[in-house]
Amino acid sequence: EAGVAQSPRYKIIEKRQSVAFWCNPISGHATLYWYQQILGQGPKLLIQFQNNGVVDDSQLPKDRFSAERLKGVDSTLKIQPAKLEDSAVYLCASSSRLAGGRGNTGELFFGEGSRLTVL
Amino acid sequence: AQSVAQPEDQVNVAEGNPLTVKCTYSVSGNPYLFWYVQYPNRGLQFLLKYITGDNLVKGSYGFEAEFNKSQTSFHLKKPSALVSDSALYFCAVRDGGTNAGKSTFGDGTTLTVKP
Repeated sequence: EAGVAQSPRYKIIEKRQSVAFWCNPISGHATLYWYQQILGQGPKLLIQFQNNGVVDDSQLPKDRFSAERLKGVDSTLKIQPAKLEDSAVYLCASSSRLAGGRGNTGELFFGEGSRLTVL
Repeated sequence: AQSVAQPEDQVNVAEGNPLTVKCTYSVSGNPYLFWYVQYPNRGLQFLLKYITGDNLVKGSYGFEAEFNKSQTSFHLKKPSALVSDSALYFCAVRDGGTNAGKSTFGDGTTLTVKP
């Protein structure tokens, strides 16, 4: 079974430029998450999708960050314009529901991340 | 709001000795608890989880964790550490009372196992 795919792995941009990250979750996983991991900290949730609908985007800086999940499969996270403090690893994760519709108690499956450096 | 505390930034143990990585949590509903491991320049990998049932859960690579409701803790343990266990470990909590609850992570503990 293929894992969560992310690209690019590394990106260096100057402040005020824009950047986009792409994620393809594990096949059949309805829930997709974008996390931001700043060096020395744990991952912080930016946005959570259930199929192609947004479940939680309360921590997404909407003045500069946007995300979409068209057709409920792969997803794109965009930053425009970037700031120095956006330097971080952007992790995509997906999870599945338990059989029988008991909701999502499953673990997260993470991609290898996209490391962004803003100069 | 839910939260996770990992009180130790760094844990050092000798190979062959038992290891413990500590985690305490706060959540309003039933806690779903997870441990993940992260190797350099890699994403997080799932180790084990507690949803319900036996307080001692076993996971990958010989790791286990004990859920203690009264102390709101979920410490990660291994009876005999290996050098290859050296990595960054994250504890996470979800509110089991919400159908699509988010996972909140601690800031991680770096485990170093010396030969």
